[in-house]
Amino acid sequence: KQEVTQIPAALSVPEGENLVLNCSFTDSAIYNLQWFRQDPGKGLTSLLLIQSSQREQTSGRLNASLDKSSGRSTLYIAASQPGDSATYLCAVNSGAGSYQLTFGKGTKLSVIP
Amino acid sequence: DVKVTQSSRYLVKRTGEKVFLECVQDMDHENMFWYRQDPGLGLRLIYFSYDVKMKEKGDIPEGYSVSREKKERFSLILESASTNQTSMYLCASSPDGWGKRSTEAFFGQGTRLTVV
Repeated sequence: KQEVTQIPAALSVPEGENLVLNCSFTDSAIYNLQWFRQDPGKGLTSLLLIQSSQREQTSGRLNASLDKSSGRSTLYIAASQPGDSATYLCAVNSGAGSYQLTFGKGTKLSVIP
Repeated sequence: DVKVTQSSRYLVKRTGEKVFLECVQDMDHENMFWYRQDPGLGLRLIYFSYDVKMKEKGDIPEGYSVSREKKERFSLILESASTNQTSMYLCASSPDGWGKRSTEAFFGQGTRLTVV
């Protein structure tokens, strides 16, 4: 059964720093991987989707990479801002016909002004 | 933009009540999902549906049922609400992966249910 781990569970950085969030998964036979952001008490907002054939995706200050063979993905946030404070979750889709996402428990990011 | 709309942001119900949580998506997605999210446990899949009138159990279906009579609407039903069903409930939708480039999932804003 696929398991997804995100380390660290919480991270606090000063404003302006570049940072990396980590996601690892146990079964490398994935279809795609998706990064989400969740603000307190709210739903999930999709940030980036990486197909299994891709190595990275970029959106603005965000860059997500995927190393399927080693079971790892990273989310890089450049020039962090207080508005980036949220919980970041990664989720793995394990097959083209698979209907389920397996989620990590998230990394809670605090960007200190 | 894809929109997934959950009918309520907050609900308070009494133990033993029958509770309906409604979710509507406007992008003609085949797949729809219900998750619950609890501190320390993360997101857990309750039920999903890959077509109208089709449903599959997720990891924690006990105490819940679902209904999908129309493609755009997926309802979660708590047959007899209990206090251990107090949680954040999240609905999601995604397109069918077969033959399509992306199966990006989109979530609703969540429903915070409290059972007293």
